[in-house]
This record gives sequence, C-alpha cells and structure tokens, in this order.
Amino acid sequence: NAGVTQTPKFRILKIGQSMTLQCTQDMNHNYMYWYRQDPGMGLKLIYYSVGAGITDKGEVPNGYNVSRSTTEDFPLRLELAAPSQTSVYFCASSYREDITDEKLFFGSGTQLSVL
Amino acid sequence: AQKITQTQPGMFVQEKEAVTLDCTYDTSDPSYGLFWYKQPSSGEMIFLIYQGSYDQQNATEGRYSLNFQKARKSANLVISASQLGDSAMYFCAMREAGTSYDKVIFGPGTSLSVIP
Repeated sequence: NAGVTQTPKFRILKIGQSMTLQCTQDMNHNYMYWYRQDPGMGLKLIYYSVGAGITDKGEVPNGYNVSRSTTEDFPLRLELAAPSQTSVYFCASSYREDITDEKLFFGSGTQLSVL
Repeated sequence: AQKITQTQPGMFVQEKEAVTLDCTYDTSDPSYGLFWYKQPSSGEMIFLIYQGSYDQQNATEGRYSLNFQKARKSANLVISASQLGDSAMYFCAMREAGTSYDKVIFGPGTSLSVIP
C-alpha cells in the first residue's frame, strides 16, 4: 500500500535552474496539496487541486506551477529556482467527500536546496 | 492576518503528565474542520485527531483529545500520560473555504519536549 509517493527525496539546484517535483497517490483521493516547510516553521500551502483539471492557488504560489491531468498525479514545477525556494516540500492527498474521515495523507517530503 | 494561531512556540512536560497545546483559529465559514498533526524529528507528518465544526462531542483518539470551544474558536489538543516518544512538533490545521474550493492550512506549530 504505497499511499502518497514523492520523488526525489533530495535535490540540489543551481539558481535559475528548473525542476519538477513528482507526487502520486494510489488512494483515488480527489484533493491533493503541495506545501513547503522552511526550517523551524509551519507548512505553507503552495497550490492544491480538487480533481483532475482543477487547481487553485494557496498561500505562497509565486514561483511555482502545477497541473493535474490525472487523479493520481500532481507535479509541482519550479521555474527559475531562487535561494528563497530552499525548503522541504510535502505533497498530501485527501478524500474530501468523506466528512467523517477527511484527514490528509502526506508523502515523505522532498528536501530542496537552491545554491 | 494569521488564520491559525499557536501561541506556545515551545512546551515542556514531565513524563506521565498531561499537557495541553493551544490552537485558535479564525474563519467565517460555518462548515470547517480542524486537525492536529505530529511531526517528529524524522520529518514525517502523522495525523492525530480531527474535529468537524458540526460535531457535538469533542473528538478523542487514544491518549489524544481535542478540547473544541466553538464560540471561542479554539481547538486545543490534550495529550494525557505523556511519553518520551511524544517529543515532537505539533501542528494545528484547518479546512476552510478558499476562493473557489476548500483548502487546508496549518499553524506555525508548537515544539513539545517530554522530560523523563
């Protein structure tokens, strides 16, 4: 039972490079989320999706893009990486229609450093 | 304005004692949900407990209970009989109405240290 899978686990980028963080879930969840967590801080919502083809901005969307072409996958794209994007990135999913059990399931995170 | 406030950056508790971690929230949506997550030093996010805004009773999950005071907009986490393994960061989170769809946002967290 894989749950939410994120790749890669670690990545170092140079300033100005681009990359895609991958996230896939096998629980047929409709909602998916991307968060970033800076050292010693809470999680900030970057983007989220309520289903295939539907995404919306969160609290800190600048510098990122997302797409949701399938229920399973929700990649996060970083264009022109900047040192301020150094963070741990978490992907999460939930099944929003079950109001008795709508908890978020998290991936193990991607530690990204931009140098 | 911060939607979720956790006013205790760090807390200490003696092993086997109970501890309360505070969380206040701000929303005008009548339908919302409140969560608590634990993040140990390994970095994983572990779900602890959930409370829906229409739930009449406070949620409980083993040693965890949520003290939900709707009028005061507070959702404090109570951990009974603390264990050394409870040392971690604890985050309060809320599902609220976004501009178009519901979204889940997190508070800044409280670091809990359990002392033997």
